[in-house]
Amino acid sequence: DAKTTQPPSMDCAEGRAANLPCNHSTISGNEYVYWYRQIHSQGPQYIIHGLKNNETNEMASLIITEDRKSSTLILPHATLRDTAVYYCIVRVGPSNTGKLIFGQGTTLQVKP
Amino acid sequence: EPEVTQTPSHQVTQMGQEVILRCVPISNHLYFYWYRQILGQKVEFLVSFYNNEISEKSEIFDDQFSVERPDGSNFTLKIRSTKLEDSAMYFCASSEVTEVRPEQYFGPGTRLTVT
Repeated sequence: DAKTTQPPSMDCAEGRAANLPCNHSTISGNEYVYWYRQIHSQGPQYIIHGLKNNETNEMASLIITEDRKSSTLILPHATLRDTAVYYCIVRVGPSNTGKLIFGQGTTLQVKP
Repeated sequence: EPEVTQTPSHQVTQMGQEVILRCVPISNHLYFYWYRQILGQKVEFLVSFYNNEISEKSEIFDDQFSVERPDGSNFTLKIRSTKLEDSAMYFCASSEVTEVRPEQYFGPGTRLTVT
């Protein structure tokens, strides 16, 4: 699985969009970008995944650059409950039954 | 929405004792996983399980660890002789692994404290 680089921490004002970047310059053609988050010490929670097209669901949007070497997770209207560690994971998928490899992630602090 | 459940939420045990952590995966899922997270560190993969056998295991998952699906609903992690360094949050996860639903669903975790 390709390596990812994320900033260790970010702040965002409540109600504003949170844009979390991820670099994955060594991503292969068959690898997807996944995002998970972990609120406090709870179990990680899936957010979204994509291959090359931008994706949107009820939680977030995922923007992947044309060269696929980086991506941005967007939480359109961040709330205090979005304070969490966000993990960008690149892996073969989506029918991949293998393990998730978590890095250190980005700690997002949403402030009132 | 269906969810993965884990019991107990917190387990305190003495070094050298055996512990069994229990998980109930989502009912139609076929792939099961255990991860752990030592306080302040990354979430680490331990083992994956499919069709009643281990699919993959990490270096952490040595002979002290075992997994079992004793019936149609439970998935357990046993640590035979606990060490201080086994103190961590243990997360169970399950997955359908389909094109539509590729994500792994995690339980709330069991906090294991070894004294």
